[in-house]
Amino acid sequence: QKEVEQDPGPLSVPEGAIVSLNCTYSNSAFQYFMWYRQYSRKGPELLMYTYSSGNKEDGRFTAQVDKSSKYISLFIRDSQPSDSATYLCAMSARTASKLTFGTGTRLQVTL
Amino acid sequence: EAQVTQNPRYLITVTGKKLTVTCSQNMNHEYMSWYRQDPGLGLRQIYYSMNVEVTDKGDVPEGYKVSRKEKRNFPLILESPSPNQTSLYFCASSLSGRIDTQYFGPGTRLTVL
Repeated sequence: QKEVEQDPGPLSVPEGAIVSLNCTYSNSAFQYFMWYRQYSRKGPELLMYTYSSGNKEDGRFTAQVDKSSKYISLFIRDSQPSDSATYLCAMSARTASKLTFGTGTRLQVTL
Repeated sequence: EAQVTQNPRYLITVTGKKLTVTCSQNMNHEYMSWYRQDPGLGLRQIYYSMNVEVTDKGDVPEGYKVSRKEKRNFPLILESPSPNQTSLYFCASSLSGRIDTQYFGPGTRLTVL
């Protein structure tokens, strides 16, 4: 069993929809929870990160962490075609030196 | 402009021919890492370095070598490449391991025939 599980998709939604992306994990030592966005032929870019449990909001994006359930989510409101990308969750026990990634969910936002 | 650069971006080679993929960052970051990305497996860490002359194995170090002689550079060396090392490789750097300062390079697509 992988330490981090993520549905690969693809997920196709119409423009303006609310998107929910999720990951589950098994390692209780994880304290930092990240979401990266990766456009085709590009490197991942950090979208949001959260320390421990709770919610964090940044514009149209909301990250949620439920450590009791070992479950994290990323919500995208009012999705746009420019949000079409692969979204990777990642986790770490301490720092950016040792990250464990999910396999990524490919999202397509259609007009 | 803050950036991580990798060279080459694309490389096709043959089994056993030694190669080096370079990585350079201009942000004076201490931490640097190498990852490979494969379909269905996601990003997996190969090696990381916390500073000059300090390196450690990640999850999949077999068949790879690294060195960190200068703060800005972190080359990945494949001394005898094999087809199972065909992958997309990313270099990343961060300031003292701070997650919010991490940058990834644009990637190097390697094919080993």
